[in-house]
Amino acid sequence: NAGVMQNPRHLVRRRGQEARLRCSPMKGHSHVYWYRQLPEEGLKFMVYLQKENIIDESGMPKERFSAEFPKEGPSILRIQQVVRGDSAAYFCASSPRDREDGYTFGSGTRLTVV
Amino acid sequence: DAKTTQPNSMESNEEEPVHLPCNHSTISGTDYIHWYRQLPSQGPEYVIHGLTSNVNNRMASLAIAEDRKSSTLILHRATLRDAAVYYCILRALYGGSQGNLIFGKGTKLSVKP
Repeated sequence: NAGVMQNPRHLVRRRGQEARLRCSPMKGHSHVYWYRQLPEEGLKFMVYLQKENIIDESGMPKERFSAEFPKEGPSILRIQQVVRGDSAAYFCASSPRDREDGYTFGSGTRLTVV
Repeated sequence: DAKTTQPNSMESNEEEPVHLPCNHSTISGTDYIHWYRQLPSQGPEYVIHGLTSNVNNRMASLAIAEDRKSSTLILHRATLRDAAVYYCILRALYGGSQGNLIFGKGTKLSVKP
């Protein structure tokens, strides 16, 4: 039973390019969460999705960031026109339907904007 | 969401027990107490969670105070691989946050050989 798969592990983008981060949740998990961790800082919640629905996007920056979790395929976190301040580790987590359970996190995508 | 308070850092010796405290004086009746840890350069890892009763699993034990205003994560025999930042998090079963986890600064555990 594979865990949460994130790819790519490392992504380098020039300022102004787009970054696409992918997350495949654990089998049977229908809830996906994205977190961002800036260097030397804690994890910050970004967005919570279920299949084809954004449930809570209160942590998403208002511009340039979007997320989706389509009926088929992985969840995608998309950052348009990246800036140096977007350089961070982006973690995806998934959980079963039951909110009492713990999350399983992926190994993260480390985005570097040059 | 109710907040938690943890010491910034703790030290332990290898193969000795470690007790990591967490205060959560404003916890509500439907808040679960979750513990996660994050090893260097890795994603967070679920450790344990509980509601009222003490809990044990292969990784650790969770001791919850009778009034639920504090809890302690117990690592029975620390190893060098247990060096990590440990997060104590309250997760609401119902209500506004939709159950997402709010991470604080956690406790950085160092393990000495």
